[in-house]
Amino acid sequence: GQQVMQIPQYQHVQEGEDFTTYCNSSTTLSNIQWYKQRPGGHPVFLIQLVKSGEVKKQKRLTFQFGEAKKNSSLHITATQTTDVGTYFCAGYDNYGQNFVFGPGTRLSVLP
Amino acid sequence: KAGVTQTPRYLIKTRGQQVTLSCSPISGHRSVSWYQQTPGQGLQFLFEYFSETQRNKGNFPGRFSGRQFSNSRSEMNVSTLELGDSALYLCASSLNSYGYTFGSGTRLTVV
Repeated sequence: GQQVMQIPQYQHVQEGEDFTTYCNSSTTLSNIQWYKQRPGGHPVFLIQLVKSGEVKKQKRLTFQFGEAKKNSSLHITATQTTDVGTYFCAGYDNYGQNFVFGPGTRLSVLP
Repeated sequence: KAGVTQTPRYLIKTRGQQVTLSCSPISGHRSVSWYQQTPGQGLQFLFEYFSETQRNKGNFPGRFSGRQFSNSRSEMNVSTLELGDSALYLCASSLNSYGYTFGSGTRLTVV
């Protein structure tokens, strides 16, 4: 079955440093979604990317969808303590049946 | 507007029992999906309902079932509970599958 991996599993950064998490799927994705989950909270939708090579920005967050639509990245510039949480990527498998989440990257930001 | 509401928030059940969880989506959202979140397996997709029909299904045994009513409210049922079913069960709704809004979840403990 389809597998979605994310690296790194954990990332500790000093406030103000940049952060990037990478998402890789074993199969082509029709689209990819990114979610953030704060400790003790529930996932919150950040963005959806659909087109090959697409790049979208939300303030300090930059999202990228690979040309082959099998990988994606989320980059945060100048992290803040409010960025703390786990970032998940997710997408539908080839058959559009199973919505698969990556294992997430847990970000800690030290003040 | 009101978010996705899940009831109950916490539940303790005995192995072998069955349980029903409830989810009220955001008004106007016809798609409701369910997820299981555990520390070991992460976020896993259970199923998605749209206009009272199951549209997609993840890789869970038949003990996990769901339904959606005409008002889009959804219920998830787990029969013959096992210890491994202890998890946070999340419901999410969507207007057009462009991103899902999650509820706060029901934390189920099976003893």
